[in-house]
Amino acid sequence: SQQGEEDPQALSIQEGENATMNCSYKTSINNLQWYRQNSGRGLVHLILIRSNEREKHSGRLRVTLDTSKKSSSLLITASRAADTASYFCAGDNQGGKLIFGQGTELSVKP
Amino acid sequence: NAGVTQTPKFQVLKTGQSMTLQCAQDMNHNSMYWYRQDPGMGLRLIYYSASEGTTDKGEVPNGYNVSRLNKREFSLRLESAAPSQTSVYFCASSEATNIGGYTFGSGTRLTVV
Repeated sequence: SQQGEEDPQALSIQEGENATMNCSYKTSINNLQWYRQNSGRGLVHLILIRSNEREKHSGRLRVTLDTSKKSSSLLITASRAADTASYFCAGDNQGGKLIFGQGTELSVKP
Repeated sequence: NAGVTQTPKFQVLKTGQSMTLQCAQDMNHNSMYWYRQDPGMGLRLIYYSASEGTTDKGEVPNGYNVSRLNKREFSLRLESAAPSQTSVYFCASSEATNIGGYTFGSGTRLTVV
């Protein structure tokens, strides 16, 4: 069973717009992580937010975490064509295993 | 600095054949993982090794075995391949479980016919 479920499954925007992806998870977590996967490649770690944090920033990325609602969001500001990829959230549960959601496919049109 | 290296990158097997997927990391990470990725399913954990000398089952371990050969290497074996094991397999490592992000290899695309 997936830990995270992402919404939307696919998102298409114009370059310069902001992209928001949401993730809901099922069980208690130590931290929640976001990854990017370009087509045909491995996953790349973007950002980690711990269960006692509410918001975190890294460059053009902003992640929020609401443990009461078991949800997280990833905001990419001023998107670029190079941001086109699949984005996955993953919950690090108390068993020490990272469980992934099904991902959001982001397409940024020039 | 290579990170996580997986071999082979592509493989075609006949049903019933066996093979071992190799994974090595050069970051002195303690924990290593094997995932499979299928369309629309995200990544599912097959097995993981929290530290050298230990292995544990993930979500979908049936049909697979693993060996943590040493701190660097973690192999995944398919003893009798089935078409349902057609997938892209990713190896990953982390400093330890519950600490930090994972570093992923570039994947092995396996087709079982």
